[in-house]
Parts: sequence; structure tokens; C-alpha cells
Amino acid sequence: AQSVTQLDSHVSVSEGTPVLLRCNYSSSYSPSLFWYVQHPNKGLQLLLKYTSAATLVKGINGFEAEFKKSETSFHLTKPSAHMSDAAEYFCVVSSGYSTLTFGKGTMLLVSP
Amino acid sequence: DAGVIQSPRHEVTEMGQEVTLRCKPISGHNSLFWYRQTMMRGLELLIYFNNNVPIDDSGMPEDRFSAKMPNASFSTLKIQPSEPRDSAVYFCASSPTGSGANVLTFGAGSRLTVL
Repeated sequence: AQSVTQLDSHVSVSEGTPVLLRCNYSSSYSPSLFWYVQHPNKGLQLLLKYTSAATLVKGINGFEAEFKKSETSFHLTKPSAHMSDAAEYFCVVSSGYSTLTFGKGTMLLVSP
Repeated sequence: DAGVIQSPRHEVTEMGQEVTLRCKPISGHNSLFWYRQTMMRGLELLIYFNNNVPIDDSGMPEDRFSAKMPNASFSTLKIQPSEPRDSAVYFCASSPTGSGANVLTFGAGSRLTVL
């Protein structure tokens, strides 16, 4: 069995300040973990993925995430938010070749 | 590649009518997924196909929903009869086999409104 919990439904930041979107997962096997982003009225786009290589994963648009097995976490960070980062972000877990389990999403709001 | 292509982008229909949503996956991708997104329930997997064969349809809400994949380049999701509670955005996604098997590429979605 697998599950994912996104700890915040909304996160608000000011442009230029750091972003932290929190995600905890549960998995019976070594998981693959992903972050997807969805801009308004668009489909989901892959930001980054972790598949048991380096624990710090770099993605597109300056985002990165760190896999912490001891904490069963996979938090998404960015040093400096940009207005174009405003979107909904989904943390996703998969074990082996099972289907993906999506979190409920975190809406990131960026103010000028 | 044009990505995953879905049609129609928007559909407004009346309760009781048949709705057909269409999807063209990325060429060479062997797995295809249908998801439904609502505010209340988030993203739900409805069904997925591997090599055109339905593997898991446990997420299909009820018999009013059906999905087909007659060939590697086309899939449909049909709702008959439609109900207001079916209003949602329906996404199609595809993925390759092999090491990238779990990386999904999503289409832009079909927004369905049932009056």
C-alpha cells in the first residue's frame, strides 16, 4: 500500500522569498517520488522525480526536492519565488510498477 | 512531438446525454491513463491501459462509464447517461515502458459540465 500527504493545502509567499512545499509518503517498498505542477487550466507537468539515485533531486525552474527516508518526506523547495511559480503542486508516490498515488495538492500563491 | 492530445477541451451537455472524450497518446508510449479531477476529490485514477489492454478499471465510478483503446494511438472515455455529478476535468496521460515507466505526460484536459 502507498499513500502521500501534502501537509498544506495553500502556501503564500512573496516574490523573491523561499518556497517550501511539504510532502510525506508511505510505501511498502522503495518508492519513486515525483512532484508535478499544474498551472491554471493546464495539464500536469513533471517538475522532478526521485528513483533511488541521489537523494537531492534538481528539477525544472529552479525547484529541488530532498528524499529523506528516515522522515518519509520529500519536500519541494525553491530559493526565490517568482510570480510565474503560482500554481498547484502535487506530490506523487509510486512503488515498483504500480500506478501513481497523487496527493491532494498544494496551491502556491505568490504576491508581488 | 505534439504531446498528449485531448478533445474536446470543453464540453457542456445536459443530464442524460452521452459524452465521449478522446485521447491521442504520445507515439511510442505503451501505457495510457484516464484521470478525473474535482475540487472535492482531487485527482482520481479511473482506468489505465497497457499495450491497449485495460489493466485496472477499479476507479471507474459505475457502469455509466466505459473506456476503450482500439489501437495504440487512440482512446475514448464514454459516459452514458451523464449526470451533473460527472462535471469535472478529465485528463488523459501516457507513459513509456522501461525505466521511465512511471513518468506520466498529461494532456491539457477536457472540462465537462453536465447541466
